[in-house]
Amino acid sequence: NAGVTQTPKFQVLKTGQSMTLQCAQDMNHEYMSWYRQDPGMGLRLIHYSVGAGITDQGEVPNGYNVSRSTTEDFPLRLLSAAPSQTSVYFCASSGYRGGTDTQYFGPGTRLTVL
Amino acid sequence: AQSVTQLDSHVSVSEGTPVLLRCNYSSSYSPSLFWYVQHPNKGLQLLLKYTSAATLVKGINGFEAEFKKSETSFHLTKPSAHMSDAAEYFCVVSVEGSFKTIFGAGTRLFVKA
Repeated sequence: NAGVTQTPKFQVLKTGQSMTLQCAQDMNHEYMSWYRQDPGMGLRLIHYSVGAGITDQGEVPNGYNVSRSTTEDFPLRLLSAAPSQTSVYFCASSGYRGGTDTQYFGPGTRLTVL
Repeated sequence: AQSVTQLDSHVSVSEGTPVLLRCNYSSSYSPSLFWYVQHPNKGLQLLLKYTSAATLVKGINGFEAEFKKSETSFHLTKPSAHMSDAAEYFCVVSVEGSFKTIFGAGTRLFVKA
């Protein structure tokens, strides 16, 4: 099992550009989520999904879109990048109990917006 | 509403001495509590979790944590630190039926030789 994979590992964008961060898992988990990690703030939930076709907002959803067309994939889209979105992004998945189950994290994507 | 506070942003110990990382939580319902570890430039890995069974929870690499409802605490301990324990540690709270997890700000553990 590859677990949770994320691409790319690093990305530099200019203000106003758009891009998609990819996340995939091969554990047949229903629950997937996206977090951003900023110094001194821990991880903050951006969006999450409890199954294909079902998504919802987390703590900091503004400026990000998600969709879940398959169980395996959960891409995160930045519509118009801003310097405030410079961060490290983590994707995670877990079993049907969602937040009360162990979450498995990807290796992260380090994004810089100039 | 749930919240979690990690009381120390940095902790420094000498190799072979005990480790104590402190976490207080707030939750309206019975919480699930987790400790995750993040080594430099890596993703997060589960150390241990509490889900309303035994209040003393044992995890990987010799870590353990005790759930104290009266003190709303879930402190992480290890009897003897190893150099490889140097990392950032996150306390996390979630509630049954909630799909949202709340992370603490993290505690960076330094281990001196």
